[in-house]
Amino acid sequence: GDQVEQSPSALSLHEGTGSALRCNFTTTMRAVQWFQQNSRGSLINLFYLASGTKENGRLKSTFNSKESYSTLHIRDAQLEDSGTYFCAALNTEGADRLTFGKGTQLIIQP
Amino acid sequence: NAGVIQTPRHKVTGKGQEATLWCEPISGHSAVFWYRQTIVQGLEFLTYFRNQAPIDDSGMPKERFSAQMPNQSHSTLKIQSTQPQDSAVYLCASSLDGGAEDTQYFGPGTRLLVL
Repeated sequence: GDQVEQSPSALSLHEGTGSALRCNFTTTMRAVQWFQQNSRGSLINLFYLASGTKENGRLKSTFNSKESYSTLHIRDAQLEDSGTYFCAALNTEGADRLTFGKGTQLIIQP
Repeated sequence: NAGVIQTPRHKVTGKGQEATLWCEPISGHSAVFWYRQTIVQGLEFLTYFRNQAPIDDSGMPKERFSAQMPNQSHSTLKIQSTQPQDSAVYLCASSLDGGAEDTQYFGPGTRLLVL
């Protein structure tokens, strides 16, 4: 089965509001990356976490390896936040390849 | 910093033809990864190199797909006898070290369409 379970698959927010995206892992992961894929298809790095919480502007992400999950919080959503958000994780077996979730399609409405 | 460069950005090929995709990693990065993205399968790992040496090709289809990294400034992914199911966006990424706790930076991708 999938090692990275991402939810929700789609989310619609009004400008100025916020929400959280979540990834659950079915195996122990040593790090997680979060990306935004824009309308041109480019994967934009948001965060890399090996543990704890990082914040950047209106975005905040947490990774809890012991409880096997990561979250991405968006606050005060803006139109340019629309896109597909992916989490991707590195497992603890030493492999360096990222295993991706299936993504959350985020639509920000005026 | 130009980021990871991929060429071509789009490629249309006929069934049975060969396709070669190019990737130039970020200067100074020693690890290069290839992934592909389809609607059905999502983002999947294909293969990766560290210091030009192949490390893990567990995601590569066993036939028709090959990857090389002849020097530190570029890698190629070659698909022989392309099939319609090979249609996908092929993404290249690089990271500074390829070891633990290392951010991967992605290129814009090559959109391959096999007719």
